[in-house]
Amino acid sequence: EPEVTQTPSHQVTQMGQEVILRCVPISNHLYFYWYRQILGQKVEFLVSFYNNEISEKSEIFDDQFSVERPDGSNFTLKIRSTKLEDSAMYFCASSDFLRTSGINTQYFGPGTRLTVL
Amino acid sequence: QQQVKQSPQSLIVQKGGISIINCAYENTAFDYFPWYQQFPGKGPALLIAIRPDVSEKKEGRFTISFNKSAKQFSLHIMDSQPGDSATYFCAASSTGNQFYFGTGTSLTVIP
Repeated sequence: EPEVTQTPSHQVTQMGQEVILRCVPISNHLYFYWYRQILGQKVEFLVSFYNNEISEKSEIFDDQFSVERPDGSNFTLKIRSTKLEDSAMYFCASSDFLRTSGINTQYFGPGTRLTVL
Repeated sequence: QQQVKQSPQSLIVQKGGISIINCAYENTAFDYFPWYQQFPGKGPALLIAIRPDVSEKKEGRFTISFNKSAKQFSLHIMDSQPGDSATYFCAASSTGNQFYFGTGTSLTVIP
């Protein structure tokens, strides 16, 4: 069964450093998402991406964040200058959202645990 | 503003019992309501989902009940098993884009 994959599984970085989190969405999906989950809290939406551009983003997704689809398979989240409060689990998701029926089944990857020291 | 409110925060059920988790929403534009199951260290996995044009959807031991007028929906797990012990999140979306997640319910099924 196709699945979303993410690398690395755990990333440790120093405050102020740049990190890139990588995701490989399910191959025939066209909609891609990043969410984050601070330990013990709910899953929070960061950004959605379709047709090589951001379609929606939350207040959390400020200028320190960027997303890119550098090739036909990868989808990345970059944090330019990490802060302590960026420590969280970051989940990538993809969807084969069918506009005619409005069904948006999002499939989540296993996540990348980001620890900012 | 919390778009989706979920309760209870934690739930302990005996094996074979019924687990019930409730969610309420405010935005009447929401038109898709999934439930996700998450095990420790794993990503959320879609369990079951419903559209507002039906009042109930059942898949195996899992049932979603949907009350459009009350803007509430709930997950019922029949014959709960220890393997069901996980965190459950309800969610809602309108444009088919971002999901608004509830705060999660930690379910423990005691053998």
